[in-house]
Amino acid sequence: DAGVTQSPTHLIKTRGQHVTLRCSPISGHKSVSWYQQVLGQGPQFIFQYYEKEERGRGNFPDRFSARQFPNYSSELNVNALLLGDSALYLCASRPGLAGQETQYFGPGTRLLVL
Amino acid sequence: LAKTTQPISMDSYEGQEVNITCSHNNIATNDYITWYQQFPSQGPRFIIQGYKTKVTNEVASLFIPADRKSSTLSLPRVSLSDTAVYYCLVGDLSGGGYQKVTFGIGTKLQVIP
Repeated sequence: DAGVTQSPTHLIKTRGQHVTLRCSPISGHKSVSWYQQVLGQGPQFIFQYYEKEERGRGNFPDRFSARQFPNYSSELNVNALLLGDSALYLCASRPGLAGQETQYFGPGTRLLVL
Repeated sequence: LAKTTQPISMDSYEGQEVNITCSHNNIATNDYITWYQQFPSQGPRFIIQGYKTKVTNEVASLFIPADRKSSTLSLPRVSLSDTAVYYCLVGDLSGGGYQKVTFGIGTKLQVIP
């Protein structure tokens, strides 16, 4: 079975540009979360979506937005890119919202902002 | 959210058992304890999850004392390929509100030949 997939794998942008990252969850998973991981730190929670609704938001500016589609795939959008947005962006999926469910991560998208 | 504290780094020789302890003094009733492994430039990989007592799977064991204020990940007979960062997460994964799982810095395990 395919795991969580993300695209693109790598991306280079310049300051002020906009970026869209994509995620396809494991088949049957309805919950998708996004994380940012800067070098040397643990992943930081950005968003969670479930059944196309935002169910959680981390401490990130409004430049960050996301959405989930009817097929449960998701996009993360970042506007007005800053140098500090350079990071590994991770997507994770789980079946639903039950407490004992395991969350599975994708390989990530490496974003470099110049 | 319960804050976690774990050692920043550990070294171990191949073939040894490795125990990584995580402290989470403020763990709440609905919180689960989850451990992930991460290699450089890859997404975290789920290792094991538990709520209380002991959980064992094909790769690790998780020991949780009765007060649940700490947990210990046990990796039997580590190999060089176990060199990675290990994260302890504590959080309410239920769907009553929103899910917000907080990662710390993790423990960098270096396995030595």
